[in-house]
Amino acid sequence: GEDVEQSLFLSVREGDSSVINCTYTDSSSTYLYWYKQEPGAGLQLLTYIFSNMDMKQDQRLTVLLNKKDKHLSLRIADTQTGDSAIYFCAERSTNAGKSTFGDGTTLTVKP
Amino acid sequence: ETGVTQSPTHLIKTRGQQVTLRCSSQSGHNTVSWYQQALGQGPQFIFQYYREEENGRGNFPPRFSGLQFPNYSSELNVNALELDDSALYLCASSLFTHDTGELFFGEGSRLTVL
Repeated sequence: GEDVEQSLFLSVREGDSSVINCTYTDSSSTYLYWYKQEPGAGLQLLTYIFSNMDMKQDQRLTVLLNKKDKHLSLRIADTQTGDSAIYFCAERSTNAGKSTFGDGTTLTVKP
Repeated sequence: ETGVTQSPTHLIKTRGQQVTLRCSSQSGHNTVSWYQQALGQGPQFIFQYYREEENGRGNFPPRFSGLQFPNYSSELNVNALELDDSALYLCASSLFTHDTGELFFGEGSRLTVL
């Protein structure tokens, strides 16, 4: 079945770039997503990439997709303390409705 | 634009009891999905409702059931609660016909089973 794997923790200094990595198994994934969850809150979509794209840039966020290796990454430029949160990678296959999430990467930004 | 709202925000139940969680979808959205998020884990898909019918189900037993109403709001019912049902239950709304499948999440209902 579908599986999404992420590293659990990342710590960076304010102003540095953060790179969060994700691997997935479902070769029929059509869309891949990055969601952000702050303490006590639901998930908020940050960005997504369609499976036929290699890269997507959105302000400080850059998503890279290597479809051959089923590897997705999220780069946050000029990371701020407000970026501290849990980041979830998710994929959606052609099956109706279901998105499969990783267990999240906790990003800690130190001043 | 009204976002996704869930109620209650927190509740405590004991083993064997039943619980009903409620969700109002974002204005204009016709599809509701429910996810279970255990502590330290990612959300796990329970099921999705579209046009008041279940439209996909994850690996959850039949004691997890749901409803969608004509106004697109939804309920999640869990019978015969077990300790492992303790989790954050997230409702997400979306537009069924929207290609990107973006989910808009509520803040969740945190269920503790004692």
